[in-house]
Amino acid sequence: NAGVTQTPKFQVLKTGQSMTLQCAQDMNHEYMSWYRQDPGMGLRLIHYSVGAGITDQGEVPNGYNVSRSTTEDFPLRLLSAAPSQTSVYFCASSYLGQGAGNTIYFGEGSWLTVV
Amino acid sequence: ELKVEQNPLFLSMQEGKNYTIYCNYSTTSDRLYWYRQDPGKSLESLFVLLSNGAVKQEGRLMASLDTKARLSTLHITAAVHDLSATYFCAVDPGTYKYIFGTGTRLKVLA
Repeated sequence: NAGVTQTPKFQVLKTGQSMTLQCAQDMNHEYMSWYRQDPGMGLRLIHYSVGAGITDQGEVPNGYNVSRSTTEDFPLRLLSAAPSQTSVYFCASSYLGQGAGNTIYFGEGSWLTVV
Repeated sequence: ELKVEQNPLFLSMQEGKNYTIYCNYSTTSDRLYWYRQDPGKSLESLFVLLSNGAVKQEGRLMASLDTKARLSTLHITAAVHDLSATYFCAVDPGTYKYIFGTGTRLKVLA
């Protein structure tokens, strides 16, 4: 079972460069999201989507763009990388609704360093 | 502003002992989640609590939810070394903007 797949796992960027973190899920989940994890700060929501063509901002959206053209894919774009964006990024997905099985599934993480 | 606070932030305990991690949140929430994270790894789902009074147990871990007090607990019974990890709670305020606590780093000493 693939679940939530993120690429790349590790990336080093120079300040000002742009890049895209890829995320794909094969569970037909409506909900997808991106988090960043920094030491001592838990996970903070960057952007999320509740379906194809629908995206919204989370807690820390500045410097990031997303799009959701298909149910499966939810790429995160860093427009002009800054050292403050050095972090571990997690993609997550789940079903919507009030069902008992609304577990949020996480990808393996992408370690990004901006120098 | 919705806040999710966990305590303690760090917990060092002896094998065989019991302890409780607390998760307080500042607004109403439809659901509460508990996750485990090992160093350098992803987050693993432990429990999803859906209603007031919900209690779930898996092995040495038991989670409960009191929506009136806006409090969830994760109780560890007879801790073993394999439970060493960071534990996160997260709430869904009904907007899909899930909010995570800062985590509790648990170290179980042999």
